[in-house]
Amino acid sequence: EVQLVESGGGLVQPGGSLRLSCAASGFTFSSYAMYWVRQAPGKGLESVSVISNNGGITYYANSVKGRFTISRDNSKNTLHLQMGSLRAEDMAVYYCARAHVLSRGIYFGMDVWGQGTTVTVSS
Amino acid sequence: EIVMTQSPATLSVSPGERATLSCRASQTVSSNLAWYQQKPGQAPRLLIYGASTRATGIPARFSGSGSGTEFTLTISSLQSEDFAVYYCQQYNNWPFTFGPGTKVDIK
Repeated sequence: EVQLVESGGGLVQPGGSLRLSCAASGFTFSSYAMYWVRQAPGKGLESVSVISNNGGITYYANSVKGRFTISRDNSKNTLHLQMGSLRAEDMAVYYCARAHVLSRGIYFGMDVWGQGTTVTVSS
Repeated sequence: EIVMTQSPATLSVSPGERATLSCRASQTVSSNLAWYQQKPGQAPRLLIYGASTRATGIPARFSGSGSGTEFTLTISSLQSEDFAVYYCQQYNNWPFTFGPGTKVDIK
């Protein structure tokens, strides 16, 4: 079964750091670009970051650039999002998602999603 | 950044009726447009990619059309499980941007 399972969310103080992980199974992880998408409480969806299949291409939303770092370990089928200098506006459910096409590129829709992990930023 | 807009914000439909959802991009996204369905407490589900191609396992009552800046998602005969929020997303340019969503609820 193709599956993504996020972990690492929790309560963090403003200015703090958190590392999210996404464990992939049931497919050849190293063949797909991967994404992080977040959803603030009661709000819509926002693309946070993307990484190509081999990690050579990474992009970030302007709202997180310089604070978040996306990475992947293809030997462990795991995607990460290192989050720093967290703000109240970063509070959201964070989803990892897979590109809908097996490719070296990143410009694709997202066909497999995890269940999400919740990040709460509060003092 | 490409701005995506969706209309209407809410669509009230009776089961069995047809629903037509619209999505507009602030600049051309070619056919690099996806539609997602999201139910409360669940992750989004890919319905359509490439503006008109149904994703694996998506029923034929869902269809997408359009290119450039104007797109439509049609649900031909609404079933009870189709009441949800629908988002369009462009993946032509980074950052990939989503529309604000259309909530389809029961009339």
